[in-house]
Amino acid sequence: SQQGEEDPQALSIQEGENATMNCSYKTSINNLQWYRQNSGRGLVHLILIRSNEREKHSGRLRVTLDTSKKSSSLLITASRAADTASYFCATAPRTIYNQGGKLIFGQGTELSVKP
Amino acid sequence: GAVVSQHPSRVICKSGTSVKIECRSLDFQATTMFWYRQFPKKSLMLMATSNEGSKATYEQGVEKDKFLINHASLTLSTLTVTSAHPEDSSFYICSARGATGGSEGYGYTFGSGTRLTVV
Repeated sequence: SQQGEEDPQALSIQEGENATMNCSYKTSINNLQWYRQNSGRGLVHLILIRSNEREKHSGRLRVTLDTSKKSSSLLITASRAADTASYFCATAPRTIYNQGGKLIFGQGTELSVKP
Repeated sequence: GAVVSQHPSRVICKSGTSVKIECRSLDFQATTMFWYRQFPKKSLMLMATSNEGSKATYEQGVEKDKFLINHASLTLSTLTVTSAHPEDSSFYICSARGATGGSEGYGYTFGSGTRLTVV
């Protein structure tokens, strides 16, 4: 399968709570990115973490990367109703067959933040 | 920042007809274009990768005669769904990458997607 795994598949929380989503992947990577997608819309890039980085912050977002476990997590702190969306991780596999840099997406987590 | 314009946003067509979806990079040269397909509440499945001026590379299981990709210029790539059938109904998204990357250095700029419904 070209897809990585994400969990949970769906997450429902109250406004103000933190949301944590996890992603696992299969191959060596150059970087891992997180994207957000509102229903029926395109993707919005959230954050990129390189393979030699372990943690990165951007506003209310915190991303970790564990290359030994081939996993990443996205934490959204102090969630808001407007954070309701699907969240996807995407990896750029580091192989000779991916010189063009194609992204492989995880299954996604559907986050619902209730006001 | 870099922008990719994808049209149409929605299209309904009759079974057996062909539909063309366009993606244009507005302020950068898209040396590589990726085409994805997404089913409801599912992830994005990469269909093919195209480089300007050369033939597209299709992922395993994707019919190249069914999904024709043209990347004739550095600012335009098209996906044509030929002889569309109801099972081709889906959300199609393009992603462009330039020589210097897409938006903000991370390399990939996505179109807003096309909802195709075949009736």
